[in-house]
Amino acid sequence: DAGVIQSPRHEVTEMGQEVTLRCKPISGHDYLFWYRQTMMRGLELLIYFNNNVPIDDSGMPEDRFSAKMPNASFSTLKIQPSEPRDSAVYFCASSPRGTEETQYFGPGTRLLVL
Amino acid sequence: GESVGLHLPTLSVQEGDNSIINCAYSNSASDYFIWYKQESGKGPQFIIDIRSNMDKRQGQRVTVLLNKTVKHLSLQIAATQPGDSAVYFCAENHDQTGANNLFFGTGTRLTVIP
Repeated sequence: DAGVIQSPRHEVTEMGQEVTLRCKPISGHDYLFWYRQTMMRGLELLIYFNNNVPIDDSGMPEDRFSAKMPNASFSTLKIQPSEPRDSAVYFCASSPRGTEETQYFGPGTRLLVL
Repeated sequence: GESVGLHLPTLSVQEGDNSIINCAYSNSASDYFIWYKQESGKGPQFIIDIRSNMDKRQGQRVTVLLNKTVKHLSLQIAATQPGDSAVYFCAENHDQTGANNLFFGTGTRLTVIP
């Protein structure tokens, strides 16, 4: 298996632009997680899905952030409009059976909002 | 104003020595713990996990110890190698928002001196 795949690996955009991050989880994993990592706050869980359904989105910073999982093999995290404070590395992870199992992380998307 | 970021604890060890990385967790209801390793520019990688009904678990060159009385977790790496240089995170699983979530510590940077 190729592992969790994220795209793009790097994104540079200007404040106010829409940003879409993409994730393909490991096949057969029922759980998908989106994390954000910054120097200020470390690694934070934003939202996670079970069988394509959002379970907990309490970590989503504000309404500018939205996440979808239209099918078992694809998820997006969208920021609209983006702001400089959104600059971070965004990780997607998947797990066979939830938070009480190992999560497998993707390589991350490094986002810079100017 | 001055920006403040996370100040990661650091540990420097000589190649071949044993390393011990410590973690204090916050929630006595946490029932599952994981250690992750994150190399520069990569996503966190699973090392070893332990459930709360155990106090010790061993893997290849790594051992995790759990002391629930004082809410302390440690990762021991035997015969540390240069490839072990990375940031190590402990994570605890508990229900905080009505759903089980994984909460990550701030991390410890391990540097192996050849």
